[in-house]
Amino acid sequence: EVQLVESGGGLVQPGGSLRLSCAASGFSFSSYWMTWVRQAPGKGLEWVANIKHDGSEKYYVESVKGRFTVSRDNVKNSLYLQMDSLRAEDTAVYFCARATLYLNAWGQGDLVSVSS
Amino acid sequence: DIQLTQSPSFLSASVGDRVTITCRASQGISIYLAWYQQKPEKAPKLLISAISTLQSGVPSRFSGSGSGTEFTLTISSLQPEDFATYYCQQLNTYPLTFGQGTKLEIK
Repeated sequence: EVQLVESGGGLVQPGGSLRLSCAASGFSFSSYWMTWVRQAPGKGLEWVANIKHDGSEKYYVESVKGRFTVSRDNVKNSLYLQMDSLRAEDTAVYFCARATLYLNAWGQGDLVSVSS
Repeated sequence: DIQLTQSPSFLSASVGDRVTITCRASQGISIYLAWYQQKPEKAPKLLISAISTLQSGVPSRFSGSGSGTEFTLTISSLQPEDFATYYCQQLNTYPLTFGQGTKLEIK
């Protein structure tokens, strides 16, 4: 069974940092692109970042470029999102997802709240 | 960036109804269009990829169609479990983008 489990979310002050993790199991993690998608409270879905299966290509939405870094450890079957210089508008549930181009497996999401 | 506009944003319907949701792209996206269903407090679920390919386990009452810049998701006979929010997504060009969502409610 494919499983994706996010962790690391929580409350952080504006300007602070947080690192999200996504533990993958039930599939060959190193063979897939992976994605982060977020959803602000009561709002729609927003794609955040993609990373190629070997980590050699990364793509970001403009609003997080220079502040967020996506990475992966194919030995630990884990995906990460390092979030720096956090802003109130980054408050959202963050989902990791497996990408066979399309997002066909999702984690349950993890809430990041940016507030003083 | 490619903008996706879904219509309607809200839809009230009854069990058994046939409903159609439209997704219009600001430029051509080839076949790289997906539909997702999201229920409250849950992760989205992929329903349809590549405009019209139904995912395994998704009921056949769901179908997708379209080309170029206009796409539709049709539910042929609404069931109680179909009341949810639906999103289209384009995967043709970075940044990848989602439509704003269509909330399907029980009339």
